[in-house]
Amino acid sequence: EDQVTQSPEALRLQEGESSSLNCSYTVSGLRGLFWYRQDPGKGPEFLFTLYSAGEEKEKERLKATLTKKESFLHITAPKPEDSATYLCAVQAPSGGSYIPTFGRGTSLIVHP
Amino acid sequence: DTAVSQTPKYLVTQMGNDKSIKCEQNLGHDTMYWYKQDSKKFLKIMFSYNNKELIINETVPNRFSPKSPDKAHLNLHINSLELGDSAVYFCASSQDSATFTNTQYFGPGTRLTVL
Repeated sequence: EDQVTQSPEALRLQEGESSSLNCSYTVSGLRGLFWYRQDPGKGPEFLFTLYSAGEEKEKERLKATLTKKESFLHITAPKPEDSATYLCAVQAPSGGSYIPTFGRGTSLIVHP
Repeated sequence: DTAVSQTPKYLVTQMGNDKSIKCEQNLGHDTMYWYKQDSKKFLKIMFSYNNKELIINETVPNRFSPKSPDKAHLNLHINSLELGDSAVYFCASSQDSATFTNTQYFGPGTRLTVL
């Protein structure tokens, strides 16, 4: 059965303290790994899609990388406004469609 | 302009009642979804419609019935509500689930509380 595991479950950082979030997956025929950000009381907001091992994408203080078994979301010099839950989702073909399976997320709190 | 909108944002009701949640997207997407997010923030897909046709129907009690009057709307009707139905329900849309460039755009969520 396909599985997505995110770690840590929660992470507290001081402003400026860089760190990484992990998303490990077991899926047959991966066709995309997605990162979303979810603020309290809101819907997930798209950040990145990665399609092949070795691929990297960046946006401001965030950088996502992908290997054959896991993805990392690196946060460089985080600010309090980066506090949110970060969700990872993997996508594989299923009956002619591509439906993502989400992990349980990492709750990030950045203290000023 | 709101891309994916849901109504209502909050829904508090008694066990046994029937309720509906409405969703609309103005992105011109072909595929729409309903997700359930439990108290531990786990986001699980319930249904997916592509151009008004049901394509994904996960293991969900048949008290839940989605309806898509057109490709811009996907409503969720729930019969005989139970305590365990309390959760946040998210609507989402994507360009086309048949392509793997399938970025999903989520609505703001509907927090359902069953008393």
